[in-house]
Formats: sequence, C-alpha cells, structure tokens
Amino acid sequence: KAGVTQTPRYLIKTRGQQVTLSCSPISGHRSVSWYQQTPGQGLQFLFEYFSETQRNKGNFPGRFSGRQFSNSRSEMNVSTLELGDSALYLCASSARAAEAFFGQGTRLTVV
Amino acid sequence: AQSVTQLGSHVSVSEGALVLLRCNYSSSVPPYLFWYVQYPNQGLQLLLKYTTGATLVKGINGFEAEFKKSETSFHLTKPSAHMSDAAEYFCAVRLAGAGSYQLTFGKGTKLSVIP
Repeated sequence: KAGVTQTPRYLIKTRGQQVTLSCSPISGHRSVSWYQQTPGQGLQFLFEYFSETQRNKGNFPGRFSGRQFSNSRSEMNVSTLELGDSALYLCASSARAAEAFFGQGTRLTVV
Repeated sequence: AQSVTQLGSHVSVSEGALVLLRCNYSSSVPPYLFWYVQYPNQGLQLLLKYTTGATLVKGINGFEAEFKKSETSFHLTKPSAHMSDAAEYFCAVRLAGAGSYQLTFGKGTKLSVIP
C-alpha cells in the first residue's frame, strides 16, 4: 500500500507570492490533516478535511486555506507569503482516530 | 483542551544505555497517545500508540511506552540505545470520541547517542 505522498518536496517562493501544496493520502483514508512545523513553534495543527469538508481548523490567519477533492487528495494554499511562513508542512492521513500516517513533508522557504 | 509536555528538549545517552523520554499530557476526556520519530528533513514515523486496553505498549525498533493514568504520563523507553536511534521524538495526544482527528504535539525531544 502506498504511503502518504506530498508534492513538491522543496519549494522556494518570494514574499507576497502564493503557493499550493499537494497531499495524496493512503488509499481508503478519508481524513487529511495539515500541520506546520517550525523550530520556534514546533508542530502546529492547520486544518483537517474529512470527505471534502473542513472538520476542524487551527489558529492560523485566513491566508492559509485548504480543500479536499472527491478522491480524498488535498491541497493547501498560502496567499501573500511572509518570511515567517517558511516551514516544513506535513500532511497526515487517517482512516480512524487511532492512527495518523504522515508524508515526507514539503519544505517551503520564503525569501 | 488537551496539551502535551515533553521534559527535556535534548537528551544524550551512551550507545547501549537505557533510553527514557518523558511525556506528560492533560486531557479532559480519555486520550489516544502516540509517539512519533522524525529524522532530519523527513516526515513523522509512528513508533507506537495507546488507545485502550493494555497500558504497556510495544512499538517498532524495540521501543515501548507505558500509559499511567494516575500520573498522566506516557514515557517512552528502550533498554539499549543504538546509534540509529539518534533523531527527534514527539509525543502526541488525540481526544478519543472527538469529532476530529487533530493531534496535539509536544515540543519534541532530540535524542543523541554517544558511541
């Protein structure tokens, strides 16, 4: 069974630009969650999608948004990038509450 | 709301020595508890999890953890450290029965193994 796939692995963007990250969950998993990891703040929850609906949202500004498609693939978008958005963005896929499998992450650098 | 505290941002052990990484949680309802490991520039790999039942949980690579409700703890141990265990370890909690699969993580503990 293929794992969670995140693309791209690395990304460099300029301040003010926008970016879209992609996550393909494990086949059959309907829940996709996104996390931001930085040295200062650690792992912070962004949002969770379940069957195309946002089920939960963390404490991030509206510049951060996401969506989920009917095949459970998910994208997250960050508009008007700031230097502080530089981070490792991790996607997790779940079929039930007692598990969460993570992708390799997308390393976003904002310059 | 739930929270996780990992005592010690950096732990160093000698190769062959006991590994003990500490995790305490707070949760208003019965939690699910997890330990993940992260190698540089990689995602998180699940080491082990506690949901219900047996409080001593065995995971991959010789790691185990014990859920102690009275102490609200879920410490991770390994009898004998290997060089390959050098990584960052995260404890996480998820509320059982909640309408979301959100994980709340501790700040992480970086484990160094000295040859």
